[in-house]
Amino acid sequence: ETGVTQTPRHLVMGMTNKKSLKCEQHLGHNAMYWYKQSAKKPLELMFVYSLEERVENNSVPSRFSPECPNSSHLFLHLHTLQPEDSALYLCASSQELAGGHNEQFFGPGTRLTVL
Amino acid sequence: AQSVTQPDIHITVSEGASLELRCNYSYGATPYLFWYVQSPGQGLQLLLKYFSGDTLVQGIKGFEAEFKRSQSSFNLRKPSVHWSDAAEYFCAVGARGGSYIPTFGRGTSLIVHP
Repeated sequence: ETGVTQTPRHLVMGMTNKKSLKCEQHLGHNAMYWYKQSAKKPLELMFVYSLEERVENNSVPSRFSPECPNSSHLFLHLHTLQPEDSALYLCASSQELAGGHNEQFFGPGTRLTVL
Repeated sequence: AQSVTQPDIHITVSEGASLELRCNYSYGATPYLFWYVQSPGQGLQLLLKYFSGDTLVQGIKGFEAEFKRSQSSFNLRKPSVHWSDAAEYFCAVGARGGSYIPTFGRGTSLIVHP
């Protein structure tokens, strides 16, 4: 595998389910990100990790819980979601976090549908 | 904080025609600038980036962009569009020494007619 991979690619869940999204980067990067992409809305940054430490949490509801066990893996744990949480969830990584100049490498996303 | 505007939500061009997608930014100094493309069902892929130096930047897939400081713009161009270029295009702005997270525009959807 190369680049950034995400599993599953599609997920349908009920509002009472608990599920997890997985992201893995094979680039040796130190920073990882979760974004939410909804139709007709700008890309929303959710969480940022640098060297496995969370450095940003953009007022995301607690029903989304991130986990970064090592610099290559990032999870997004989901529980008691709402229909408005249906979206494409994108994972990205970059070499470093600081500087503003870091190119981000994105995974293909997980298309989440909450019924 | 920096901000970025992509004024066109949709752009429709005929295959073989030229293309220009607009991007305007707001930032107090020269920012880092990026263009990403997102094909249907895929994540974002970097097309090109500007950090400093030559204001005309060449990218992948035959795209180029020009940084114009006086207009606070970083427009994306391609001389001849192919049907496979149909996608969503995002401009992003990164701050020097400031917020480390690039700010993305809302995106422009490119439709290519045969």
